[in-house]
Amino acid sequence: NAGVTQTPKFQVLKTGQSMTLQCAQDMNHEYMSWYRQDPGMGLRLIHYSVGAGITDQGEVPNGYNVSRSTTEDFPLRLLSAAPSQTSVYFCASRRAGAGTGELFFGEGSRLTVL
Amino acid sequence: RKEVEQDPGPFNVPEGATVAFNCTYSNSASQSFFWYRQDCRKEPKLLMSVYSSGNEDGRFTAQLNRASQYISLLIRDSKLSDSATYLCVVNLSGGYNKLIFGAGTRLAVHP
Repeated sequence: NAGVTQTPKFQVLKTGQSMTLQCAQDMNHEYMSWYRQDPGMGLRLIHYSVGAGITDQGEVPNGYNVSRSTTEDFPLRLLSAAPSQTSVYFCASRRAGAGTGELFFGEGSRLTVL
Repeated sequence: RKEVEQDPGPFNVPEGATVAFNCTYSNSASQSFFWYRQDCRKEPKLLMSVYSSGNEDGRFTAQLNRASQYISLLIRDSKLSDSATYLCVVNLSGGYNKLIFGAGTRLAVHP
């Protein structure tokens, strides 16, 4: 199993450009989420999904869109990139109702917005 | 006030030392607690869950104090490989949909 796969691993954008961070998992997990990690801030939840066709906002959703058309994929779209969106982005998944609450993370996507 | 607060460290300790980290949380309704480990420039991984009665996994012991709203992680006989950032994680609601991460405590174990 590949687990959670994120692409691209690195990306540089100019202010105002749009892009999509891809996330795919092969563990048949119902729950998927996107976090961003900034120095001194910890991971902050952007959006999450509890199943195909269902998404909800986390702590910092502004400037980002998500959709969940399949169980496997949960792309994160930056509509008009801003320097404040420079960060490391992590996609994570888990089984619904999992008693441990364990999240499985992808390796991260490092985004720089100039 | 942050919902989950940790001392950022770094904690610099020699091999074999015992080291403890605390983490405080602000929401008394928090239901579940975890410690994750994150190596430099890597993704976080679950280290252990924290149960009300406390729990131990080898050299690692986690404790929960609901009255004072903090959790702790104790590492005994530190190894070089324990060097990492330890993230305190709190679940605010049932279903684990919104896990809140602390900023992490960095541990550096030296020979």
